[in-house]
Amino acid sequence: EADIYQTPRYLVIGTGKKITLECSQTMGHDKMYWYQQDPGMELHLIHYSYGVNSTEKGDLSSESTVSRIRTEHFPLTLESARPSHTSQYLCASGETGAGELFFGEGSRLTVL
Amino acid sequence: GNSVTQMEGPVTLSEEAFLTINCTYTATGYPSLFWYVQYPGEGLQLLLKATKADDKGSNKGFEATYRKETTSFHLEKGSVQVSDSAVYFCALSDGFYGNNRLAFGKGNQVVVIP
Repeated sequence: EADIYQTPRYLVIGTGKKITLECSQTMGHDKMYWYQQDPGMELHLIHYSYGVNSTEKGDLSSESTVSRIRTEHFPLTLESARPSHTSQYLCASGETGAGELFFGEGSRLTVL
Repeated sequence: GNSVTQMEGPVTLSEEAFLTINCTYTATGYPSLFWYVQYPGEGLQLLLKATKADDKGSNKGFEATYRKETTSFHLEKGSVQVSDSAVYFCALSDGFYGNNRLAFGKGNQVVVIP
């Protein structure tokens, strides 16, 4: 069973608010990822990290930012949320070279 | 670049029917192939995987064979249950380079009717 946790599971906020989605894993994985999942189910990589102090933008441009100060923690921040940010955000982690990813249960964000 | 193509549209079938979801891929090198499943309200879970040509991955009655000659990794189950209703994603990873970046297909919603 994977040990990767996301909070909050559900969040409803107003436009202009700052939010942080938390993601933590206890497996010691170097690599962590954030995916945005649209209502049509498709997954889009928005950020990834190969280790502490390493962050890269993914394939889909996003106004969010991430940080990786500790191996186990990979939070995602939106400085000023907008309705277009309404989506499900999935965090994942994996070991180098293994290919397989472990996913959290997701954070469903609604911006009014 | 690497890409995965899944058959279009949701799949609706009756309990105990045979399920096939097609997946083809384009990749350089020697990718590993995966099927992930997403149950309602949850994140993705690994269902099965295959790391080289002709390998067969299997789990919970699901199977998929890595076919290099047809660049395919079709998912099959002989007798589905209502509890198999979920979204299924095919994915590949060029694990040779160790970056774990997965290329996902668009997913298929499977609905099993009692």
